[in-house]
Amino acid sequence: EPEVTQTPSHQVTQMGQEVILRCVPISNHLYFYWYRQILGQKVEFLVSFYNNEISEKSEIFDDQFSVERPDGSNFTLKIRSTKLEDSAMYFCASSDRDRGQPQHFGDGTRLSIL
Amino acid sequence: GIQVEQSPPDLILQEGANSTLRCNFSDSVNNLQWFHQNPWGQLINLFYIPSGTKQNGRLSATTVATERYSLLYISSSQTTDSGVYFCAVYTGGFKTIFGAGTRLFVKA
Repeated sequence: EPEVTQTPSHQVTQMGQEVILRCVPISNHLYFYWYRQILGQKVEFLVSFYNNEISEKSEIFDDQFSVERPDGSNFTLKIRSTKLEDSAMYFCASSDRDRGQPQHFGDGTRLSIL
Repeated sequence: GIQVEQSPPDLILQEGANSTLRCNFSDSVNNLQWFHQNPWGQLINLFYIPSGTKQNGRLSATTVATERYSLLYISSSQTTDSGVYFCAVYTGGFKTIFGAGTRLFVKA
């Protein structure tokens, strides 16, 4: 069964540094998402992406965050200048032609900011 | 915005016991998913269930959209069922809202 893959599985970064989290969605999917989960808390929506542009974003997704689909297969989340509070698990998800269809999640990237 | 509430927040079971987890939501939804987050942090999709009832082995789920709730049934629980169970609802925009989860621990 096709799956969403995320790399790296764990990223350790110094505060203030830029970080890029990478995702390869399922190949025929058209809708892409990033979520964040701070340790012990619930999963929070960050941003959705469709037709090469942001469809919706949460209040968490401020100017420090950006997303990009640089080619036909990758979907990236960039945090420009990381803060301690950015430490979390970041999940990528994708869904197919109808945005109401189930979202398939990757295994996540655990981001640790020192 | 829509509110998603899950109950109970914590649940401890003896292996072999049955349980029911509940998810209430405050507005109409286009779809609803149940996830199991295992101890390694992975989100495992259990059910996509905007309405009706589905079963998969020892797990089943029912969503009554008109009454704005969904139930997840776990029968004959096993230690590997431990983890956090999330329901997540999609309202027709471009985002999915997760509940706070039910933390389940199954004792051997």
